[in-house]
Amino acid sequence: SYVLTQPPSVSVAPGKTARITCGGNNIESKSVHWYQQKPGQAPVLVIYYDRDRPSGIPERFSGSNSGNTATLTISRVEAGDEADYFCQVWDNSSDHPWVFGGGTKLTVL
Amino acid sequence: HLQLQESGPGLVKPSETLSLTCTVSGGSIRGPDYYWAWIRQPPGRGLEWIGNIYFSGTTYFSPSLKSRLAVSVDTSKNYFSLNLASVTAADTAMYYCARRGVATDSSFDLWGRGTLVTVSS
Repeated sequence: SYVLTQPPSVSVAPGKTARITCGGNNIESKSVHWYQQKPGQAPVLVIYYDRDRPSGIPERFSGSNSGNTATLTISRVEAGDEADYFCQVWDNSSDHPWVFGGGTKLTVL
Repeated sequence: HLQLQESGPGLVKPSETLSLTCTVSGGSIRGPDYYWAWIRQPPGRGLEWIGNIYFSGTTYFSPSLKSRLAVSVDTSKNYFSLNLASVTAADTAMYYCARRGVATDSSFDLWGRGTLVTVSS
């Protein structure tokens, strides 16, 4: 099945920019979605179809997808952004087509 | 606005069947634009897709769980259910229900709060 690789952790100071990557073979050919999960809460969709933001998600959240890497970028990071972030794709060549990355813990220093 | 709520026993004995229900409120489960999904997360680990169901009853299951899994929908009561047979400790997880757009590459755009299921004697 298709594998998505995320760094276990990313740390960033408040006000700086955080970049969380999601690696996969030719991932640019797939649509990538990103979810934010705060402790004890359900995941929340923050980016869909590589770069679109659901209503209510701040413009500070953006996404890109090129080559073998998709990236979630959080600008002007705030303490409230501290959470786990998961990427997800649909892989039409797999019998387990809805795949999540292992997740990245974003720590705001 | 539409909300999802999982319900079911928090403790299941090994070899028994785990049964959960996801109640959809604030909207109809019959909406043609969405599938309904089960996703789980073992403690301290990542997310695992379990299966999808459409209001018509069309299903798609994770191959690793397929032999033990049943998912059904009741459009008259606006809920869908999960039954996972012959559970082991490896099935201990937070179980979420979620909504997914009808396009196969759609995101899971709405989630329930989740329910923790522990498999233990």
